[in-house]
Amino acid sequence: GIQVEQSPPDLILQEGANSTLRCNFSDSVNNLQWFHQNPWGQLINLFYIPSGTKQNGRLSATTVATERYSLLYISSSQTTDSGVYFCAVERTYKYIFGTGTRLKVLA
Amino acid sequence: DGGITQSPKYLFRKEGQNVTLSCEQNLNHDAMYWYRQDPGQGLRLIYYSQIVNDFQKGDIAEGYSVSREKKESFPLTVTSAQKNPTAFYLCASSSRTGYGETQYFGPGTRLLVL
Repeated sequence: GIQVEQSPPDLILQEGANSTLRCNFSDSVNNLQWFHQNPWGQLINLFYIPSGTKQNGRLSATTVATERYSLLYISSSQTTDSGVYFCAVERTYKYIFGTGTRLKVLA
Repeated sequence: DGGITQSPKYLFRKEGQNVTLSCEQNLNHDAMYWYRQDPGQGLRLIYYSQIVNDFQKGDIAEGYSVSREKKESFPLTVTSAQKNPTAFYLCASSSRTGYGETQYFGPGTRLLVL
């Protein structure tokens, strides 16, 4: 099956810093999404991005499907950005999640 | 408000007992999913359903069962055959649109074995 790897596994930032999270996947996919899981466990969809680039406020994402990776950029980080970021890929309705990047933003 | 609800928030299971986790959505989505998350880990797919009265096994279906009798409901039963059920269980739904398929998640149920 498809393998999804995320890096780095852990990241600590000072408030205001920028960061890049990476998601590599081992085969072609129909769908790729980025999620943020808050400390209470709620998963929030950030981007649906099987290819190309999207931006939403301080967050942006780029997927290069031909090279099988996606990047999530967080600029001017805030303490509320803390949590775990997951990417998930889909083929034939089955979603595979990466193991996540655990981000902690310090005030 | 449209969304996904899961109940209960916490659930305790005794040895040998079957328990059922509820998932309801009012988003009019066709597809629904159940995931299991262990501490510090990613999500693993248990079961998914693309349409009423049809569902498919995910990667870790052993010890679990589901039903999809109504579009808005997708309950998960954790049977006594599941030997290590302690985990965080998340339900999701999605609807394919012209802009692609986005999954929306419920708040989750934490299951603990007594």
